[in-house]
Amino acid sequence: ELKVEQNPLFLSMQEGKNYTIYCNYSTTSDRLYWYRQDPGKSLESLFVLLSNGAVKQEGRLMASLDTKARLSTLHITAAVHDLSATYFCAPGGYGGSNYKLTFGKGTLLTVNP
Amino acid sequence: GAVVSQHPSWVICKSGTSVKIECRSLDFQATTMFWYRQFPKQSLMLMATSNEGSKATYEQGVEKDKFLINHASLTLSTLTVTSAHPEDSSFYICSADLLGLETQYFGPGTRLLVL
Repeated sequence: ELKVEQNPLFLSMQEGKNYTIYCNYSTTSDRLYWYRQDPGKSLESLFVLLSNGAVKQEGRLMASLDTKARLSTLHITAAVHDLSATYFCAPGGYGGSNYKLTFGKGTLLTVNP
Repeated sequence: GAVVSQHPSWVICKSGTSVKIECRSLDFQATTMFWYRQFPKQSLMLMATSNEGSKATYEQGVEKDKFLINHASLTLSTLTVTSAHPEDSSFYICSADLLGLETQYFGPGTRLLVL
């Protein structure tokens, strides 16, 4: 059974600061997704990382994947208030005949002015 | 493209009644749809996976007789919560897998409140 550990679970940071969210998973996965969730809303796809060493950047967010270490990171650069949300990582894999995602517990990010 | 809708977005019902939630892929065919449940301040938990034309596969601990899933076409899956109780109150989110691409597109969610 694939297990996913995200840390930290809660992150309060000041605008302008940098920080990294970590996502460890227990078994081999061929790809990893990062999602953002605003309060009361569904998931918004941020990144999909498809191979070892993959790095993707969008604005102030950068995600990377190390499949050998079973680790993905989401780095926040010069945080702004608009980034306040819950961030989930989700490695994917086949469970039976279907491709499934297993979600981490999420990181609640609060960016303070 | 790749839009998934859910209906209704909000539902309040009395304990003991049944509630049906629809999940539609609007502009693509989805051979596989997924149903998740999310309690407040928690992560998404996969309830079941449904493939068009076949029976749903339920995750461990999910009662298949309580959460009825029908995937009648490549663009529609329904989740029926039978004899709902207050503990079934939750945020239900569906996703649809774009055919062959192993990518899930998420619906906007349905918030269920059982009184």
